[in-house]
Amino acid sequence: EPEVTQTPSHQVTQMGQEVILRCVPISNHLYFYWYRQILGQKVEFLVSFYNNEISEKSEIFDDQFSVERPDGSNFTLKIRSTKLEDSAMYFCASSEDTGGIRVDIQYFGAGTRLSVL
Amino acid sequence: SQQGEEDPQALSIQEGENATMNCSYKTSINNLQWYRQNSGRGLVHLILIRSNEREKHSGRLRVTLDTSKKSSSLLITASRAADTASYFCATARYGNKLVFGAGTILRVKS
Repeated sequence: EPEVTQTPSHQVTQMGQEVILRCVPISNHLYFYWYRQILGQKVEFLVSFYNNEISEKSEIFDDQFSVERPDGSNFTLKIRSTKLEDSAMYFCASSEDTGGIRVDIQYFGAGTRLSVL
Repeated sequence: SQQGEEDPQALSIQEGENATMNCSYKTSINNLQWYRQNSGRGLVHLILIRSNEREKHSGRLRVTLDTSKKSSSLLITASRAADTASYFCATARYGNKLVFGAGTILRVKS
């Protein structure tokens, strides 16, 4: 069964460093998302991406964050200068487009645990 | 805020019993979805119910939606140890964003 894959599974970085989290969405999906879950808290929406541009972003997604689809298969989340409070599990998700209509179900990857020291 | 809130926060039952989890939300929605998360893993989609639907079934899952009360319930019948996980409701209003509740931790004892 097709699945969303995320790498790495765990990323440790020093405060102030840049990190890139990588995702390979399901191959025929056209909508891509990033969410995060701080330990013990709710899953929070960060950003959605369609047709090579951001379609919606949350207040969390400030200038330190950026997303990119560098090729036909990868979808990345970059955090420019990490802060301690960026430590969280980051989930990538994708959803399908059938005949121009977005399918509402989102398929999630297993997540990347980001630890900022 | 559109946020869904689940109750109970934690539920412990014996294998074979039914488990019921509730979710409330604050704004009008397009659809409501339930996801499962095993410890430290990703979210797995379970079932989606649209705002014009009242009840939906999928295998041992039954979801109800009451838009007048802005609430939903997820019933898992004949629970198994493998159902042990966290369960989240997520609402979608328009656009793509899912807004998740805090989740219910379900433990099924064998």
